[in-house]
Amino acid sequence: GQQVMQIPQYQHVQEGEDFTTYCNSSTTLSNIQWYKQRPGGHPVFLIQLVKSGEVKKQKRLTFQFGEAKKNSSLHITATQTTDVGTYFCYLVTNDYKLSFGAGTTVTVRA
Amino acid sequence: EAGVAQSPRYKIIEKRQSVAFWCNPISGHATLYWYQQILGQGPKLLIQFQNNGVVDDSQLPKDRFSAERLKGVDSTLKIQPAKLEDSAVYLCASSLGDTYNEQFFGPGTRLTVL
Repeated sequence: GQQVMQIPQYQHVQEGEDFTTYCNSSTTLSNIQWYKQRPGGHPVFLIQLVKSGEVKKQKRLTFQFGEAKKNSSLHITATQTTDVGTYFCYLVTNDYKLSFGAGTTVTVRA
Repeated sequence: EAGVAQSPRYKIIEKRQSVAFWCNPISGHATLYWYQQILGQGPKLLIQFQNNGVVDDSQLPKDRFSAERLKGVDSTLKIQPAKLEDSAVYLCASSLGDTYNEQFFGPGTRLTVL
């Protein structure tokens, strides 16, 4: 079956620093989505990537889809306290199998 | 636009009891999902409906879990009988079209099985 690896599991960041979280799939993907879940909240959609090598930006967040469509990354610059939460990748395979990664939980120290 | 509604928000039951969760998706959303999220893990898809038909229920423990989507709108998820390991947050989500679309999540139901 499809396997998803999301790393790191935890990311403790100094406010103002940058960090990256990675999502790797064992199978080729149709598309990948990223969601953010604040503590005690529910997942909220951030972005969807469909094309090989695609790069999308949302203010301080940069999302990238790998050339082989098997991996993706989320890079956050100048981390703020509002970035606290768990970031999940959500994988859609070519045969419509859906799965969330285990998430990267981000904490920020001021 | 109203979001996805779920009830109850919290439920505490004893093992072997039954429980039901209700979800009302965003109006016009054809696809509805039920997820189980155990503390510290990512959501796990239990069942996906397209209108009132089941698209994927491969990870639904069918010996104890059941779900239906009434007239392609509201949905209920039932657990009978509950086990301790069913303690989790049950999330309902809906999307406008098919699997490719962004999903809108409800607030979830936190289930504690004692």
